[in-house]
Amino acid sequence: DAGITQSPRHKVTETGTPVTLRCHQTENHRYMYWYRQDPGHGLRLIHYSYGVKDTDKGEVSDGYSVSRSKTEDFLLTLESATSSQTSVYFCAISESRVPGDEQFFGPGTRLTVL
Amino acid sequence: TQLLEQSPQFLSIQEGENLTVYCNSSSVFSSLQWYRQEPGEGPVLLVTVVTGGEVKKLKRLTFQFGDARKDSSLHITAAQPGDTGLYLCAGARHDMRFGAGTRLTVKP
Repeated sequence: DAGITQSPRHKVTETGTPVTLRCHQTENHRYMYWYRQDPGHGLRLIHYSYGVKDTDKGEVSDGYSVSRSKTEDFLLTLESATSSQTSVYFCAISESRVPGDEQFFGPGTRLTVL
Repeated sequence: TQLLEQSPQFLSIQEGENLTVYCNSSSVFSSLQWYRQEPGEGPVLLVTVVTGGEVKKLKRLTFQFGDARKDSSLHITAAQPGDTGLYLCAGARHDMRFGAGTRLTVKP
């Protein structure tokens, strides 16, 4: 299994509070991704990173920011959480950005915003 | 509106039965992937199909990519309880887009 961990695995927070989710990899892959998974929508890309300090927006980036200060860590921040951001968040990594190359997923973080 | 529509959304069958799930789109993809996701875990890649009409087999699982590269199917022969999970398809264009999945339950 690819070495990807996410923390925390579960979090309950209140509307308006900031939240940071962490993804850590031990594979030294260049590309890292944050997705959210919601019933009826599948996985949707929030942001991705193609190197240290290099990030770009995905399909559903509004309300989220990311940072990557080290190859192994990719942080997702909700500056002011809203109930619509209740979801399961997955981090993924890949060696290349070529669509169709395998992405390896972490175990997910279940976030509930009350 | 989902770029990739998967059907059925839910499927519950008995052990030993055969089944087919579908992934359809009006868009053309350069490749298509199938993932399986178990509860509390992230998706795991099963297969990637690249060529229109391509068929790949993985033990009891058969994957087919449509001739026009707009759709795909996954056929499972003699399903087992271990096949239970959420099956996701993902199409590659300039990025990857995922379908909402088919949740399969195989009862012993």
